[in-house]
Order: sequence, then C-alpha cells, then structure tokens
Amino acid sequence: QQQVKQSPQSLIVQKGGISIINCAYENTAFDYFPWYQQFPGKGPALLIAIRPDVSEKKEGRFTISFNKSAKQFSLHIMDSQPGDSATYFCAASRRTGGTYKYIFGTGTRLKVLA
Amino acid sequence: EAGVTQFPSHSVIEKGQTVTLRCDPISGHDNLYWYRRVMGKEIKFLLHFVKESKQDESGMPNNRFLAERTGGTYSTLKVQPAELEDSGVYFCASSQDTNNYGYTFGSGTRLTVV
Repeated sequence: QQQVKQSPQSLIVQKGGISIINCAYENTAFDYFPWYQQFPGKGPALLIAIRPDVSEKKEGRFTISFNKSAKQFSLHIMDSQPGDSATYFCAASRRTGGTYKYIFGTGTRLKVLA
Repeated sequence: EAGVTQFPSHSVIEKGQTVTLRCDPISGHDNLYWYRRVMGKEIKFLLHFVKESKQDESGMPNNRFLAERTGGTYSTLKVQPAELEDSGVYFCASSQDTNNYGYTFGSGTRLTVV
C-alpha cells in the first residue's frame, strides 16, 4: 500500500516558468516532509523539508506548501532553470522504534527547456 | 567531508548468482540505511543499522537478502540467490544520530539480474 502519492510522473516547463509537484499522504502520524532532488547517476539529495506545524517554507527559488487538513504538500520551483532538470521525490517520515523511516513518492521527472 | 560511497556502481548478474553490495557511510555516522528503487516505482526502505546493530529490518523482502555491518563502519548487502525481481537501484544513506531527520544518500548501485 503506497502511503505517499506523487504527481505528475513527468513535467516539462519552459525556462523561467513555475514547476509544481504535488504529493498526498495518508498517515497523520508523519511529522517530517522532505523533498529530494536526484540527478542522473547521483543519489537523492535533500532539497528542502517542512514540518506540519507550518504551512509554507521557502528557500531561494524552492517553496514547500503544506496543507495539513487535506494531507497534501507541494513543491514549487520558481523561475525554473535548465539546471533544475532532475527527478524529484517527496517523502514523509516519522520516528518508529528509533528509526526515521522515509516513505517516498514515485518521483517526478522534471525537464526545463532552455 | 567524504560522502556516502557505494560499490559497485553497476552490477549485472545471472539469476541464481550471488551479489554483494558495499556501502561506506560518512565517517562518524552511526546510522546507516539501505533503500531500494525498482524501476519507475518509489524508493523503499529496506533496513536501518545503528552502529553494528539492526534497528529495523522490516523492509527486507525475504531471506535471500542479508545485511551486515561489522564493527559499525561499512555495511554489505548480499543477495543470494538473486532473482529477476531483485533488479533495481540500491541506495545506502547515513546520518549522524537518530534525532537527525536528514539523510545523506550514496549514488547507489544499479543491480540488473538477467
């Protein structure tokens, strides 16, 4: 049973445009929601993360919007650049028995056209 | 600071053979995690070590998978005998302590079973 649903599967955006990736979760016990960015041949790298006590977090061109009542969160990439072309994974986590186990979405392949 | 290192980067083996994947975490990181991504699907948790002890191995698919972390340093993940469905990218990640939500991932080992 997939607990974090991510959409879209792929996304093409023009340079300078806004990229939006959405995720929905089921387990209300999750308390940490990171976004990871993965370039080909590399491992996922933490991009930005949010906790459920805030509705938005912004770091540079990247913003997470969080809707606790709807159990949804999204990543917005403003002024998208060709260098942002990568696969993005959302995730949710909570501490269970001493382990912070991530539940990942299926990933979104973003391509930003020059 | 050196990152998380995984060997090999690629492995192609025949069904029924044995493969051993290795992960060297960031020095001083007590927590080591293994995850796997089957093509097109989400990245799934396999297990978590704290030093040399298995904290959580609930994600291990079956008894053909054996993970070890002797001495609390590097870890190995052995698949024996390998099956076609074991193909995927195996990621290792480490973190400094269990209160640290953020992982650092390695680049992964792409395993292909033919």
